[in-house]
Parts: sequence; structure tokens; C-alpha cells
Amino acid sequence: DTEVTQTPKHLVMGMTNKKSLKCEQHMGHRAMYWYKQKAKKPPELMFVYSYEKLSINESVPSRFSPECPNSSLLNLHLHALQPEDSALYLCASSQVPGHLPRNTIYFGEGSWLTVV
Amino acid sequence: KQEVTQIPAALSVPEGENLVLNCSFTDSAIYNLQWFRQDPGKGLTSLLLIQSSQREQTSGRLNASLDKSSGRSTLYIAASQPGDSATYLCAVGATMNTGFQKLVFGTGTRLLVSP
Repeated sequence: DTEVTQTPKHLVMGMTNKKSLKCEQHMGHRAMYWYKQKAKKPPELMFVYSYEKLSINESVPSRFSPECPNSSLLNLHLHALQPEDSALYLCASSQVPGHLPRNTIYFGEGSWLTVV
Repeated sequence: KQEVTQIPAALSVPEGENLVLNCSFTDSAIYNLQWFRQDPGKGLTSLLLIQSSQREQTSGRLNASLDKSSGRSTLYIAASQPGDSATYLCAVGATMNTGFQKLVFGTGTRLLVSP
């Protein structure tokens, strides 16, 4: 099983709403990532979790709040978003550094977010 | 700051042609390089991963090469098919000071293969 599963596939939310994006993998990976991809742009790294702890925050606004409740799950909590936050949010997972197989990163299908 | 550029931005070819997609990066201190495929409205599918110590990787009709010293990679697609139509993204892996790998993506090449 080399799948990263993301839900929901599509989400429309108002600027005052609170919603969450969910990601799940069962490959035993202990590193999980959130990337953001705007239309016709390449993906950009947002957060990295390692062993369920936040390791990297790429200066992401606090209206995005990640959470890793266990080794298989990664959430992205959304609150008070702006229309410019509309994008495809991609979850990915991999082994942590120093473990084999090295570096292969698996991406989910993404969650399309529209903020109105 | 690592910058990744892909040329051409778009490519349209008839079925059966062999084609080459180009990727260039500004900082040769990379950990690896990956090629991804992205279909419209979909996530990323990893095609090939080249470690920094390798020169090329092959998978079926795909062959990717890496020249770290010149900051270039190419993806060669043999005997193209309409099902190959997608956006192809090149991503270089740079090791961050935490030890984690950060993927820096190129701008992508949109490929259309006509029957």
C-alpha cells in the first residue's frame, strides 16, 4: 500500500468558517508534509512533521493550524481564511532522514479548497 | 535560494514522437531530483527519483538524467502516447538544517500528445 489518502477532495468555506483537511497513510512513514499549490503554480512546502512533532513551519500564517494526532494521521485546521488561500492542499509522507528507503515522497490526490 | 526552471512551459506533439523535457536548477548542492506527473485536478505521481550520486534512472518508456555540475536534468519520453498528456514537474530535494528534505518544484511543462 503506497497510498496517501486525503479528505475531503473538495471544500468550499466562508471566511468565518472553521474546517479541517485530513490526511492518512499506512506505510509506516514517520515524516508527513503539507504543501500548497496555487493554480498553475508549483507546490510549496508549508509544514513538516516528524514523529508526530512539528519540525518545520515555513512561515505559514496562524490561520492554518496543523496537527498530527498519531503516526498515520495529519490534519490541517483552517480558520478565518482569505479568498487568496484558495488552492490545492497536498499531503505527503516519507521516511524520516537516515532511514531506508531514502527520500521517496508519496503525495496524496489533494484537497481543493475554495474560500468565498 | 534554489530556483528550478523547466523548459518548455508547454509542448504539443503527435502520438509516437520521442520527446525531451528540460529542468535546470541554480544550486548544485541537491540531495536528489524527482520527476512527477500531475493530471488536471489531481495530485502528484512520482515517476522517477535520481539520487545525487546517480546519473540516470529508467522506468519503462521514461528515462531521466542528472548532471549536477551543470544544474540540469532531462526527462526523455519514448514513443509518446495520448495518455502521457499531463503536466510534468521537476523537483529538487535539498536537505534543510533539520535534516529533512525540502522539495523545490519547477514551474512545470504541460504536455499534450495528440492521437
